[in-house]
Amino acid sequence: DVKVTQSSRYLVKRTGEKVFLECVQDMDHENMFWYRQDPGLGLRLIYFSYDVKMKEKGDIPEGYSVSREKKERFSLILESASTNQTSMYLCASRYGTGGTDTQYFGPGTRLTVL
Amino acid sequence: GQNIDQPTEMTATEGAIVQINCTYQTSGFNGLFWYQQHAGEAPTFLSYNVLDGLEEKGRFSSFLSRSKGYSYLLLKELQMKDSASYLCAVRDEVTGGGNKLTFGTGTQLKVEL
Repeated sequence: DVKVTQSSRYLVKRTGEKVFLECVQDMDHENMFWYRQDPGLGLRLIYFSYDVKMKEKGDIPEGYSVSREKKERFSLILESASTNQTSMYLCASRYGTGGTDTQYFGPGTRLTVL
Repeated sequence: GQNIDQPTEMTATEGAIVQINCTYQTSGFNGLFWYQQHAGEAPTFLSYNVLDGLEEKGRFSSFLSRSKGYSYLLLKELQMKDSASYLCAVRDEVTGGGNKLTFGTGTQLKVEL
């Protein structure tokens, strides 16, 4: 079974802090994704990566950056956390780009910014 | 871009059948996915359609009409454990740098006795 893990289930940070959210997958997947999920807005794509050191902006990249130094690890960085970044953050990975290649999600990190 | 619409909430009775609709307007299309998400948990994959027609998988079936920009998820013999949010997602056309899913806001299904 594919396993996607995230470094924390719950995280509380203060406004202005730098925040790192880590995601690791164990199935040698090429593609990795970061989403945030908010009530009434659904899942929105922040950034994705289709190879090591490659990244592309999703629909809401503002206020975020990412790092993919190794294939199995994709990090989301909040340079200066703000209260409007309080959300559930979900990481996902996928092997390829076609057919039934589906995304596998991690358990999520619920981030609260005070 | 993509615009995906699905009902916010639905309620159904245990043992019954329920159909959750999803409509989309897209600038490109390379498949439609349905995911199930229980409260506090990650979404899990249910079904995939890229050609018109019905895909059946046990109690769950998914239908796609590309010309109408329409899909539905059909759940039969409803069980209490089917109470969850059901997410419709559309995949972009494959580009050089990979492709991505755009998700609808989800339909919260409540199964009652």
